Amino acid sequence: SAVISQKPSRDICQRGTSLTIQCQVDSQVTMMFWYRQQPGQSLTLIATANQGSEATYESGFVIDKFPISRPNLTFSTLTVSNMSPEDSSIYLCSVEGFLTGELFFGEGSRLTVL
Amino acid sequence: AQRVTQPEKLLSVFKGAPVELKCNYSYSGSPELFWYVQYSRQRLQLLLRHISRESIKGFTADLNKGETSFHLKKPFAQEEDSAMYYCALWGYQKVTFGTGTKLQVIP
Repeated sequence: SAVISQKPSRDICQRGTSLTIQCQVDSQVTMMFWYRQQPGQSLTLIATANQGSEATYESGFVIDKFPISRPNLTFSTLTVSNMSPEDSSIYLCSVEGFLTGELFFGEGSRLTVL
Repeated sequence: AQRVTQPEKLLSVFKGAPVELKCNYSYSGSPELFWYVQYSRQRLQLLLRHISRESIKGFTADLNKGETSFHLKKPFAQEEDSAMYYCALWGYQKVTFGTGTKLQVIP
């Protein structure tokens, strides 16, 4: 199993500002995933972050809006840039269990944009 | 493209009644399917996966490739089963989630 810590757990932000979410894992992992869960909706994959290479973004998500860093095998950050109320959501960090396919999740970062 | 469909947003059953949470998928290859559960105030966690063919907390799920379904079942619902349930598919190096079904077990 993997233990994932996310910071901040929640924040209230002003329109036009940016916020960086941190994700720390207690073991080394190859891929880290960032998901968004908007109110009343399912989890949507934003991007996959691999150490040492550019993140891979899903359709509808771009690097300028959601820049990701992956400086080592246990840490990643997701920045939500130039925020608008539509970015209000829970952002989740996730990693895959070794050889199991199981995903482990952080507790999520609940972001409210006013 | 891969897709997971959970047709019910909310399923309410009485304690002791059978439960079936529906999940259908669309995927061109051989899928790996999972059920995840999120209890109130807890993080999302794996409930079971089709490969292991095991029963967890009394829940089972059978992959039906002909019907492209992976329904979650339990013969007798318990109050502690009340939670959000997400069906998920692993394919093309990513996991796609369904929209989730909220299970409400009425005492």
